[in-house]
Amino acid sequence: QQQVRQSPQSLTVWEGETAILNCSYEDSTFNYFPWYQQFPGEGPALLISIRSVSDKKEDGRFTIFFNKREKKLSLHITDSQPGDSATYFCAGHTGGYKVVFGSGTRLLVSP
Amino acid sequence: EAAVTQSPRNKVTVTGGNVTLSCRQTNSHNYMYWYRQDTGHGLRLIHYSYGAGNLQIGDVPDGYKATRTTQEDFFLLLELASPSQTSLYFCASSETGRDTLYFGAGTRLSVL
Repeated sequence: QQQVRQSPQSLTVWEGETAILNCSYEDSTFNYFPWYQQFPGEGPALLISIRSVSDKKEDGRFTIFFNKREKKLSLHITDSQPGDSATYFCAGHTGGYKVVFGSGTRLLVSP
Repeated sequence: EAAVTQSPRNKVTVTGGNVTLSCRQTNSHNYMYWYRQDTGHGLRLIHYSYGAGNLQIGDVPDGYKATRTTQEDFFLLLELASPSQTSLYFCASSETGRDTLYFGAGTRLSVL
C-alpha cells in the first residue's frame, strides 16, 4: 500500500522557471514531511522539511506549501538551475522510526 | 555531517548465491536502516536496528536477513538470492529514529 504519492513522475523546466512538485498522503498520523534530493550515483539527502503545524517552509529557492485539510504538499523550486536536476522524494513521518517515501519526481532543468 | 559508507558499490551474483552488503556509519547514530530503491516504488524499508545486537523488521523483509554487530556496522544478507532482489540498496542512519536520515551512496546488486 503506497501511502505517499508524487506527481508528476518526471518534469522538465527551463532554467529560471519555477518547478512545482506535488505530493499527497493518506495517513493522517503523519506529522513531519521531509523532502530528499537524490543525484545520480548518490544516496538521497535531506533538502527541506516541514511539520504539520506549519503551512509553509522556505529555504532559499525551495519552498514547501502544506495543506493539511487536503493532505497535500508541494515543493516549489524558483529560478531553477541545471544543478537542481535530480530526483526528489517526498516522505511522510509519524515521529517514530518509520518513514514512508513516495516514488519520486525526476526533475530536469534545461539550460 | 554523518558519514555512511557502503560496500561493495556494485555486485553481480547468480540465482541462489550468497550475498552480504556492508554498511558502516561513523557518527555514533543509534538507528541504522536498509532500504531498497526500485523504479516506481521509491525507497522501501527492509530492516532496521536501534543498536548493536538489535534487529527490527521493515516493510519488505522477505528473503533478507540483517545483523548489527556494533553501533557502527550493519549488514544485509541475502542467503539465496533471487532475480527479484536485483535492486539498488541503500543504508542509512539517524540519531533518534525521529529525524534526518543520512544515506550511503548505495550498492547496485544484480542477480542473474
